[in-house]
Amino acid sequence: QVQLVESGGGVVQPGRSLRLSCAASGFIFGGHAMHWVRRAPGKGLEWVAVISSDGSDKHYAKSVKGRFTISRGNPKNTLYLQMNSLRTEDMAVYYCAKVDCSGGTCYLDSWGQGTLVTVSS
Amino acid sequence: SYELTQPPSVSVSPGQTASIACSGDRLGAKYVTWYQQKPGQSPVLVIYQDAKRPSGIPERLSGSNSGNTATLTISGTQAVDEADYFCQAWDGSTVIFGGGTKLTVL
Repeated sequence: QVQLVESGGGVVQPGRSLRLSCAASGFIFGGHAMHWVRRAPGKGLEWVAVISSDGSDKHYAKSVKGRFTISRGNPKNTLYLQMNSLRTEDMAVYYCAKVDCSGGTCYLDSWGQGTLVTVSS
Repeated sequence: SYELTQPPSVSVSPGQTASIACSGDRLGAKYVTWYQQKPGQSPVLVIYQDAKRPSGIPERLSGSNSGNTATLTISGTQAVDEADYFCQAWDGSTVIFGGGTKLTVL
């Protein structure tokens, strides 16, 4: 059974940093790309970043590029999101999600419970 | 950049059919995925590859995609179907979500 458990959220002042973690179990972590997706209060889902299964390829949303860094530790079955220069608009619940692929397309088939990041002075 | 557009809200009576549209330029040429999210819960995959259901998703949820519009259809809508629904497609290596549709079962 796939389990994704996020941690590391909390209250942080604008301009400061925070590191999120996502502990994975129940599947071969090193065999799947992973994403971070967020949902701000009153808003919809916003894709944040993706990392390939071996960590060699990464892509970011324009809103976080240059400030956030996605990484993974395959031996530890853990996904990370380093968030620097946080802004009030980064306040959201952050989800990690596992990718599965079939029939020529990929989708986010399992999601964590989310961790809340509050950016406030 | 690629955009997906959804109606903010859809209302349906119990037992009736609800249709949630997702539009984008030549969307029919892409695969569309649908997620359901209830308040306080994580998103759940309900439709992938335009029309396939993961195990455990009721048959009353179905999907289609043609031209510029993908549609999530819920037949015999039940109170448990009340949720936010998001369509999703790929733009190269990046994920694009629609703005989401709040389904209200009146």
